[in-house]
Amino acid sequence: EDQVTQSPEALRLQEGESSSLNCSYTVSGLRGLFWYRQDPGKGPEFLFTLYSAGEEKEKERLKATLTKKESFLHITAPKPEDSATYLCAVRGNTGFQKLVFGTGTRLLVSP
Amino acid sequence: GAGVSQSPRYKVAKRGQDVALRCDPISGHVSLFWYQQALGQGPEFLTYFQNEAQLDKSGLPSDRFFAERPEGSVSTLKIQRTQQEDSAVYLCASSPRREVPFEQFFGPGTRLTVL
Repeated sequence: EDQVTQSPEALRLQEGESSSLNCSYTVSGLRGLFWYRQDPGKGPEFLFTLYSAGEEKEKERLKATLTKKESFLHITAPKPEDSATYLCAVRGNTGFQKLVFGTGTRLLVSP
Repeated sequence: GAGVSQSPRYKVAKRGQDVALRCDPISGHVSLFWYQQALGQGPEFLTYFQNEAQLDKSGLPSDRFFAERPEGSVSTLKIQRTQQEDSAVYLCASSPRREVPFEQFFGPGTRLTVL
């Protein structure tokens, strides 16, 4: 059964204090690892898709990396508007296109 | 452009009532998904449509849950005889492709509260 574990559950940073969020996964044949951002009362917003170990993608202050067992979301010099819950999900080679999500990391960036 | 829309945004039901939740996917998107998100948890897969065909309903928690997409666009998730454990946010997502694992675009969700 595909599984995703995210850590830490919650993270509090000062503005400008860089850090990383972790997503560990077990999956039968990875066909994509996805990062989403979710603000309170809203649906998840797509950030990145990674397909193979060694792949990296960047968007503004965010950088996602992938190994065979885990993915990291690096946040460089965060701003208060980066505060949100960050969700990691995987798609394996079973169950058509369903995504299996972790429970998320709640990030709070203080000014 | 317009994203995925869902209605109603909030629904309060008395235990035992039937409810219907609507999803309007992004125009032209082939794939449509329903997820259930409990408070403080990640979304959990319920069911998947490719056009009008329901290809995967393995995540539906009981036979009280039923989903349809009769014309391959708008979808409705119906819950019969609602129970308190059905209280959650129900998210709809759509994706433009079928085979390649492209990203899914989510709607704002419907928050269901069963009293």
